[in-house]
Order: sequence, then structure tokens, then C-alpha cells
Amino acid sequence: DTEVTQTPKHLVMGMTNKKSLKCEQHMGHRAMYWYKQKAKKPPELMFVYSYEKLSINESVPSRFSPECPNSSLLNLHLHALQPEDSALYLCASSQPRRTNEKLFFGSGTQLSVL
Amino acid sequence: SQQGEEDPQALSIQEGENATMNCSYKTSINNLQWYRQNSGRGLVHLILIRSNEREKHSGRLRVTLDTSKKSSSLLITASRAADTASYFCGPQTSGSRLTFGEGTQLTVNP
Repeated sequence: DTEVTQTPKHLVMGMTNKKSLKCEQHMGHRAMYWYKQKAKKPPELMFVYSYEKLSINESVPSRFSPECPNSSLLNLHLHALQPEDSALYLCASSQPRRTNEKLFFGSGTQLSVL
Repeated sequence: SQQGEEDPQALSIQEGENATMNCSYKTSINNLQWYRQNSGRGLVHLILIRSNEREKHSGRLRVTLDTSKKSSSLLITASRAADTASYFCGPQTSGSRLTFGEGTQLTVNP
């Protein structure tokens, strides 16, 4: 199984809602990532978990809260988002080597904040 | 981490032609990776070339790396409409996380 599964595929939420994005992989990877991608722009790294511990937070606002319950699952909890947070949210995983880390990406969650 | 700069930003060719896109970066790297992204989907890893390699092939893909010029190129031979996508390079230094440049949008016309 070389898949990274993200749910939901699409999400529409209001600025006062609380929602969660989910990501799952069964490749035994111990590094998991959240990227944010605006239309016609490259993916931007948000968070990295290595061995279930948060290792990188790229100065992401606190309205985004990541969680890694176990080595296969990664969540992104959303609260009080702004319309400018509308984007494609991509999850990825890899083996946490220091070099030559090939990333496996999910298909993403297209988020619209109204 | 550092990101690559892809060139050109957009490329439109006819099916059957070859497509070449380039990536430049600023500091020494351990490897450079190329990814493809179809519209609205996740990125797919295409090929990884290590800093001590000069050329690598995978099917219709050929990647070159010139560390003296800090540049890489991706050649897609005999292109197909299904190759239409955005292509991103990711230069990687030791211990750094992969970041991406603006990408090249390739359109292959049937």
C-alpha cells in the first residue's frame, strides 16, 4: 500500500466553525507533513511530525492545530478560519532520513472558508 | 531549506514533442527531486538525483544535474496529453525539509 489517504476531499466551512482534516498512511513512514497550496502557487510547508512529535511549525497561525495520534494518522484541526485560508491542504509522508527523503502525497482536501 | 526556481513558468507543446524544463538553486545540495502535480491533486514523486550523479533515466524521463552551475533539467520525451501537469523541483540539503519553487506548467496539446 503506497497511498496517503486524505478526508474529506472537499470541505466548506464558515468562519465560526470547527472542523478537522484527516490523513492516513500505512507505509510505515514515521514523518508526516501538512502543506498548504493556493491556486497556481507551489505547496508551502506548514508542519512536520517526526516519530509522532512536532518537529517543524513554519510560523502557522494558532487557528491551525495539528495532531499526530499515532504513526499512521495525522489530523489538522481548524477553528475560526479566515476566507484567505481557503486552499488545497496536502498531507505527505516519508521515512525520516536526513537526506533523500522522497515524499508521498495525498490527493488533498480542497477547503473553502466562507 | 532552499527552494528551486523552475524555468520556464509555462510551456505548451504538441503531443509527440519533447519537453524540457529547468531548475536552478542557490546552495550545495544532497539531492534534487522532481514532482508532478495534476490540477487539484497531490504531488507525485518522479525522480530523485543525488549530488554525485549527473544523469538519471526513468521511462520517458531524463534528469540531469550540474552542481557546478547549480542547475537541473527534466526532459520528457515523446510527450502525451496525459503529461499535462505542473512540474516542481525540490533541491534538498542535509537535514532540511523539501520546499518547492513556482513550478513549470506544461500543456501537451493533442
